Amino acid sequence: DVKVTQSSRYLVKRTGEKVFLECVQDMDHENMFWYRQDPGLGLRLIYFSYDVKMTEKGDIPEGYSVSREKKERFSLILESASTNQTSMYLCASSQSLGRWTEAFFGQGTRLTVV
Amino acid sequence: AQKITQTQPGMFVQEKEAVTLDCTYDTSDPSYGLFWYKQPSSGEMIFLIYQGSYDQQNATEGRYSLNFQKARKSANLVISASQLGDSAMYFCAMRPLNFNKFYFGSGTKLNVKP
Repeated sequence: DVKVTQSSRYLVKRTGEKVFLECVQDMDHENMFWYRQDPGLGLRLIYFSYDVKMTEKGDIPEGYSVSREKKERFSLILESASTNQTSMYLCASSQSLGRWTEAFFGQGTRLTVV
Repeated sequence: AQKITQTQPGMFVQEKEAVTLDCTYDTSDPSYGLFWYKQPSSGEMIFLIYQGSYDQQNATEGRYSLNFQKARKSANLVISASQLGDSAMYFCAMRPLNFNKFYFGSGTKLNVKP
């Protein structure tokens, strides 16, 4: 059974903390994504990675950074958490360009910044 | 620019009836894939159905079918014989051939009434 696993289901952090969200996939996928989900806004892409150490900014990268040191792992970093980063964070993975497979998602992390 | 529009924030349907969830898209890429996902209240994203831009026939998966009208740039999801377990958020997504990214709409919250 294919899997994308996010390290935490729920997180509560304080303003100004450095926050790490971890994601691991076991499907040997080249592509990995971090999305943020907010009511009425759908899923917005924060960052994506198409190979080890190869990352690109998505539509809302401000306040975030990422790391992909191994193919199976993609980390999202909130450098200094703020209350407006309270949200649902979804990690996904997919096969490379030209292949029409769907994105597989993790279970999501509900982050609250207080 | 790539854009997905879901104009129905919320919908109600009677159990056992059919329902159509609307999705329109905009892309300059001639080749793309269209996807629908279901997100129950638990938060996980469940892949439902896929349609390729060059597919001649509309996709079907069990009770789900995709009404694809390429000239109108629409990819509506039809759920036949609604069940109480169909109550969830539904997201339409597009992946152009030449991009690594999945673009998502804002979602439609479907409520199935007994």
